[in-house]
Amino acid sequence: GAVVSQHPSRVICKSGTSVKIECRSLDFQATTMFWYRQFPKKSLMLMATSNEGSKATYEQGVEKDKFLINHASLTLSTLTVTSAHPEDSSFYICSARAGTAYNEQFFGPGTRLTVL
Amino acid sequence: AQSVTQPDIHITVSEGASLELRCNYSYGATPYLFWYVQSPGQGLQLLLKYFSGDTLVQGIKGFEAEFKRSQSSFNLRKPSVHWSDAAEYFCAVGAPDNYGQNFVFGPGTRLSVLP
Repeated sequence: GAVVSQHPSRVICKSGTSVKIECRSLDFQATTMFWYRQFPKKSLMLMATSNEGSKATYEQGVEKDKFLINHASLTLSTLTVTSAHPEDSSFYICSARAGTAYNEQFFGPGTRLTVL
Repeated sequence: AQSVTQPDIHITVSEGASLELRCNYSYGATPYLFWYVQSPGQGLQLLLKYFSGDTLVQGIKGFEAEFKRSQSSFNLRKPSVHWSDAAEYFCAVGAPDNYGQNFVFGPGTRLSVLP
């Protein structure tokens, strides 16, 4: 149980285009989903937290107009990187929490974004 | 806010040798503690977690970790390392009174295993 998927696993796009990444909780309802960014050989940095049906809460320094997050249902959250640039190239990982009191998050396999 | 340190950036051990990865945290109360493993290009897999109770926690793949409140540590151990254990290991701390926003990862320790 507690499986989280991400799609696509890899995406290459041209500079200036937008890319959408999906995060799905496959066997549980995720009241909260999180988006992380991981630079090469670095740890995960939390970008934003999204609760189903409400606006995402962004961490300091993360541009909310550039990284659009939608959490329209209890099993799906999307991250859209708008007008992508090469510096947006990174590994994006989502996680989902079922709303228990234990703060445990289940992580997706990640999406490798390369902006040319 | 809590913080996590992993003093060892890179550790190399021989296959069959024992392993200990260090994790120290800073938090005003007893936090929730986690160890995750990440293989290259992959997501994170939970190895074990501590919420309360027995301070020695058993996880998957033969790993265990011990919570030591006096040392603010949650070190990960394995008695005999396998070549497949080569990966990046992250310690993480969650604040029990804050659902999600204060889930902090350590910088990670990269484990290499010699044949």
